[in-house]
Amino acid sequence: DAKTTQPTSMDCAEGRAANLPCNHSTISGNEYVYWYRQIHSQGPQYIIHGLKNNETNEMASLIITEDRKSSTLILPHATLRDTAVYYCIVRVAYSGNTPLVFGKGTRLSVIA
Amino acid sequence: NAGVTQTPKFQVLKTGQSMTLQCAQDMNHEYMSWYRQDPGMGLRLIHYSVGAGITDQGEVPNGYNVSRSTTEDFPLRLLSAAPSQTSVYFCASSYSNRGTEAFFGQGTRLTVV
Repeated sequence: DAKTTQPTSMDCAEGRAANLPCNHSTISGNEYVYWYRQIHSQGPQYIIHGLKNNETNEMASLIITEDRKSSTLILPHATLRDTAVYYCIVRVAYSGNTPLVFGKGTRLSVIA
Repeated sequence: NAGVTQTPKFQVLKTGQSMTLQCAQDMNHEYMSWYRQDPGMGLRLIHYSVGAGITDQGEVPNGYNVSRSTTEDFPLRLLSAAPSQTSVYFCASSYSNRGTEAFFGQGTRLTVV
């Protein structure tokens, strides 16, 4: 069963912030939230991950609610190259036997 | 670093033929895995390995074999190809116990006719 729920698709105007929501209401205390994206048919690309604090890197920001039941990935200034399928994954980190389990993700279309 | 390298990029097989999809990584990652992706679907885990000599089954292991004799290589074998195995196959690697990012190869597009 999927551990995360994401909208099937979203649109965003080029240059605007893209806010991609993810619901993970059954997340455990030792599970992290990971975000990956897949551009066209390429291999997935890691974006960011976090446990409970907000995280930011050169690609995106991750905002996790205080109860950890949902999160939002923010692409601050979306470009056409950000058009992709975005996957939100919960996973026990620092555990050698825990694979990444992908759902269907959110298809983000950035529009000029 | 070349990262994760998959070969071949494209392959057409006849039903019943066997073949091996190759995956190699040069990052000294302990963890490697194979996924398949069907049109319009997310990735589904086939097999994974947490180190040389150790493999385990994922969500959809039937029809596939793996072995891990070295840290660098994790080949996926199709013993008797079936049309249902037509898919895009991705290999991934990461450190086992650091909770960091997984690196994916560019995929092998397999068609079984």
